[in-house]
Amino acid sequence: DIQLTQSPSFLSASVGDRVTITCRASQAISSYLAWYQQKPGQAPKLLIYAASILQSGVPSRFSGSGSGTEFTLTISSLQPEDFATFYCQQLNSYPLTFGGGTKVQIK
Amino acid sequence: QLQLQESGPGLVKPSETLSLTCTVSGDSISSSTYYWGWIRQPPGKGLEWIGNIYYSGTTYYNPSLESRVAISVDTSKNQFSLKLTSVTAADTAVYYCARVAHLVVIYYFDSWGQGTLVTVSS
Repeated sequence: DIQLTQSPSFLSASVGDRVTITCRASQAISSYLAWYQQKPGQAPKLLIYAASILQSGVPSRFSGSGSGTEFTLTISSLQPEDFATFYCQQLNSYPLTFGGGTKVQIK
Repeated sequence: QLQLQESGPGLVKPSETLSLTCTVSGDSISSSTYYWGWIRQPPGKGLEWIGNIYYSGTTYYNPSLESRVAISVDTSKNQFSLKLTSVTAADTAVYYCARVAHLVVIYYFDSWGQGTLVTVSS
């Protein structure tokens, strides 16, 4: 199975901050990576797919980059509604796997 | 507008079978553009992929659950279902159904149900 390691697991940031979350894969997965945002009590919401393609309706302050084994999700200017837990997911091969999550909280 | 809705018992006894159904509205489950999937999340923990199904009935399962899981599709009702046998407390989780879009070789879970909590307890 392909393991995904997210870092950090937790981060504290302020509104307006630039935030970067990293996802490392245990083997190369090309660009077959997606990012999701999950707020408490809600289902995950797709933000980015194919490592860098912004899902329709997602604000442009979210961006993704990377290929192979290292990927990043960047929020250019953190907004109050962005405080949530973020997960990466690899879709290169079965079994599909998720990273452990990064919880973004208000400083 | 696409909606996915999970339904089924919220409480299952240990060793019994967990059965959930996902009803899809706003899209045809027979569309060749999509797979349909199940994902679960134990309370306070991360996400675990359970399996995917295509409208033709082709399935893909997580090997960690494969001996106990079965996903099926009913195109006449626009539904797909999950069965997980011999459950234990470790199967207590919020269970989500989702639509899996695919563009040639690019896949992503683009729409999710609200989730349903299933507790395994006697």
